[in-house]
Amino acid sequence: EDQVTQSPEALRLQEGESSSLNCSYTVSGLRGLFWYRQDPGKGPEFLFTLYSAGEEKEKERLKATLTKKESFLHITAPKPEDSATYLCAVQAPAGGTSYGKLTFGQGTILTVHP
Amino acid sequence: GEEVAQTPKHLVRGEGQKAKLYCAPIKGHSYVFWYQQVLKNEFKFLISFQNENVFDETGMPKERFSAKCLPNSPCSLEIQATKLEDSAVYFCASSQFPNNQPQHFGDGTRLSIL
Repeated sequence: EDQVTQSPEALRLQEGESSSLNCSYTVSGLRGLFWYRQDPGKGPEFLFTLYSAGEEKEKERLKATLTKKESFLHITAPKPEDSATYLCAVQAPAGGTSYGKLTFGQGTILTVHP
Repeated sequence: GEEVAQTPKHLVRGEGQKAKLYCAPIKGHSYVFWYQQVLKNEFKFLISFQNENVFDETGMPKERFSAKCLPNSPCSLEIQATKLEDSAVYFCASSQFPNNQPQHFGDGTRLSIL
């Protein structure tokens, strides 16, 4: 069974203090690893997709990286508006019993103080 | 439309009553996924559709849950004889293909069973 573990559960940063969020995964055959941001009362908002080890993607202050066992979401010089829950999800290949469903980690709650 | 639209935003039912949730996927997206989010951000996959056909129902509780996606109508998720444990936020997501594509989420329906 696919498993995703995120750490830490919660992270408090001062504005401008860079850090990283971790997503460890166990999956039968990775089709894609997805990062989402979720604000209170909202649905997950898509950030990045990573497909193969060594791949990196960047968007503003966020950078996602992928290895064979884990992914990191690096946040550089965060601002208070980056405060949210960050979710990692893996997608196994279609076929068998997977058919594209996402398996989510429990999320990291990020709070950035001004 | 350009966003996944879920209605209602909040639904309150007494235990034993029926609940019906709706989801309009992004125009042009053939795949619809339903997830249940309970405490501590745990997302549970329920069911997916390819147009009006069930694609994967491995997460669907068989007894009280049913879902449909009919042509020219919003998709629906119906829970018969609701129980307290059905209280959760139900998210719908859509994508063009089942794999290698991000799933785009609506803002969810919060179901409260009293």
